[in-house]
Amino acid sequence: TQLLEQSPQFLSIQEGENLTVYCNSSSVFSSLQWYRQEPGEGPVLLVTVVTGGEVKKLKRLTFQFGDARKDSSLHITAAQPGDTGLYLCAGQRDDKIIFGKGTRLHILP
Amino acid sequence: EAGVTQSPTHLIKTRGQQATLRCSPISGHTSVYWYQQALGLGLQFLLWYDEGEERNRGNFPPRFSGRQFPNYSSELNVNALELEDSALYLCASSLGGVETQYFGPGTRLLVL
Repeated sequence: TQLLEQSPQFLSIQEGENLTVYCNSSSVFSSLQWYRQEPGEGPVLLVTVVTGGEVKKLKRLTFQFGDARKDSSLHITAAQPGDTGLYLCAGQRDDKIIFGKGTRLHILP
Repeated sequence: EAGVTQSPTHLIKTRGQQATLRCSPISGHTSVYWYQQALGLGLQFLLWYDEGEERNRGNFPPRFSGRQFPNYSSELNVNALELEDSALYLCASSLGGVETQYFGPGTRLLVL
């Protein structure tokens, strides 16, 4: 059972456009992380959100944790080619961490 | 500061053989996590070691095992390899819990 659904699976957009990717679940998580993974490398932690409704910003990236702590979104403003990569969300529940399958993002110059 | 290192970078085995993968955590980190990233399945949690003890394991058969040494480095052993074990195996380390883990570059295992 895939407890964390990420959408879309693939996204290809032009440089300068805005985008939002989603991470949804029917389960409540104590915390949720977003990672970016580039080919041949391990995932790199971008942010951890803990409180329902929490919003965190990292330059052009805005992360939001749902009020019920079941879902999250990542919004990128004015996407750049350097944003290309696999974006993974991961939720913690019952001393285990569960990853979504990721959104593969490609920003065209 | 050196990051998490893993060896080997690539490993080719045949079905039925055994594979040993190694991980060195960031200096000072006591927890090591192992994950399998297979095509189409995403990242799956395998094992968590802390202070030399296995703290938790994911839904994998017993032929996936490991250990953590006194210097906090870790080894993942996969016995009786199956074709479906072909994947990128990632190790991560942390000092304060899984929400602050740092990943290594992974070992790509190919089972023929």
